[in-house]
Amino acid sequence: AQTVTQSQPEMSVQEAETVTLSCTYDTSESDYYLFWYKQPPSRQMILVIRQEAYKQQNATENRFSVNFQKAAKSFSLKISDSQLGDAAMYFCAYRKIFGNEKLTFGTGTRLTIIP
Amino acid sequence: EAGVVQSPRYKIIEKKQPVAFWCNPISGHNTLYWYRQNLGQGPELLIRYENEEAVDDSQLPKDRFSAERLKGVDSTLKIQPAELGDSAVYLCASSGTRNTGELFFGEGSRLTVL
Repeated sequence: AQTVTQSQPEMSVQEAETVTLSCTYDTSESDYYLFWYKQPPSRQMILVIRQEAYKQQNATENRFSVNFQKAAKSFSLKISDSQLGDAAMYFCAYRKIFGNEKLTFGTGTRLTIIP
Repeated sequence: EAGVVQSPRYKIIEKKQPVAFWCNPISGHNTLYWYRQNLGQGPELLIRYENEEAVDDSQLPKDRFSAERLKGVDSTLKIQPAELGDSAVYLCASSGTRNTGELFFGEGSRLTVL
């Protein structure tokens, strides 16, 4: 079974600074998706960034980028120029490429932005 | 495009009472998921539908939980009778045939059992 581990229950960063959230996963599959979802207090899960395992290039979305290390099964999220609106729970998630199977989530990291 | 719609947003009940949650997925999305999210935890899958067929319900506590998606569109998740440990956020998500891998989530229903 696939597992996703987030070892940082809480992180904080000064506004405008950079922060990195860690995630490791375990799978025997060679092709899969990895995601970072953001969950603000409103509770709705919002996709931040997606990575396909067969792509060597790290995904980037504006201020958000990932460091995907397939051999190490590591998938960290870097947030640059942190903004107050970035404060939320961040979940790392895994999904098989084929079929419409479930997302498997980590336990989350609560990110606080210090003004 | 309308997102995933869930209701109610909040529900407070006494233990042993029944409760139901409703979800309307994004139009055209054939796959629908119900997740449960306990406080401070990541969501965990309860059941997955492909159209009207439940294709993964291995984590659904079938003694008290039931779900249906009769016409392959909206879905209802029911708990009867509720227990104190059922207090959680119940999230609905959907995904389409265009396989980007992404699941689209509703705002969730927060259940408090007293």
